[in-house]
Amino acid sequence: AQSVTQLGSHVSVSEGALVLLRCNYSSSVPPYLFWYVQYPNQGLQLLLKYTTGATLVKGINGFEAEFKKSETSFHLTKPSAHMSDAAEYFCAVPGYSSASKIIFGSGTRLSIRP
Amino acid sequence: DVKVTQSSRYLVKRTGEKVFLECVQDMDHENMFWYRQDPGLGLRLIYFSYDVKMKEKGDIPEGYSVSREKKERFSLILESASTNQTSMYLCASSLGGTVFGELFFGEGSRLTVL
Repeated sequence: AQSVTQLGSHVSVSEGALVLLRCNYSSSVPPYLFWYVQYPNQGLQLLLKYTTGATLVKGINGFEAEFKKSETSFHLTKPSAHMSDAAEYFCAVPGYSSASKIIFGSGTRLSIRP
Repeated sequence: DVKVTQSSRYLVKRTGEKVFLECVQDMDHENMFWYRQDPGLGLRLIYFSYDVKMKEKGDIPEGYSVSREKKERFSLILESASTNQTSMYLCASSLGGTVFGELFFGEGSRLTVL
């Protein structure tokens, strides 16, 4: 069955430091991958997605992710963290049984230290 | 501005009560979803609907039912609420006919069952 694993339920970085949130997917997953972000007391919103083409994907708010098929990874990065980046981040993949279904990882909460 | 609106942000109910969670979207989307969000478990799909009066079970449908009488409205029903249904419930919608389309989320309904 298709699945996605997020390593680290909580990541804390200093303001201005590199943000790295890890996501690995099962190899049976078609190469479509997503990152969603949930700010406090809000619903999720799409941060970026990979479908085809360039393996480095740029999203909103300075985030980007690189699809690495050999490593079955789709890690999310941002060169310099900002206080407003504090949120929960979810990696997601499509479900095989229905193209409309999206399967989410367990989430990584990002905290930013002043 | 596109929007998914969930009728109640916070609800407190008693065990055994019937609970209705309402969701309305104004984007004319074909697909609508109900997810449950619990710490450490990410989002789990309860039910989804790809058309009026059409529904499919997600990963955790037990104890829940849904209704979609109009395209814009998707209701989640807890026939007899139990304490293990205390959770955050998220409604989402997406455009039909597109593969792996973006999900648009409401702000969530936090349900406490006493």
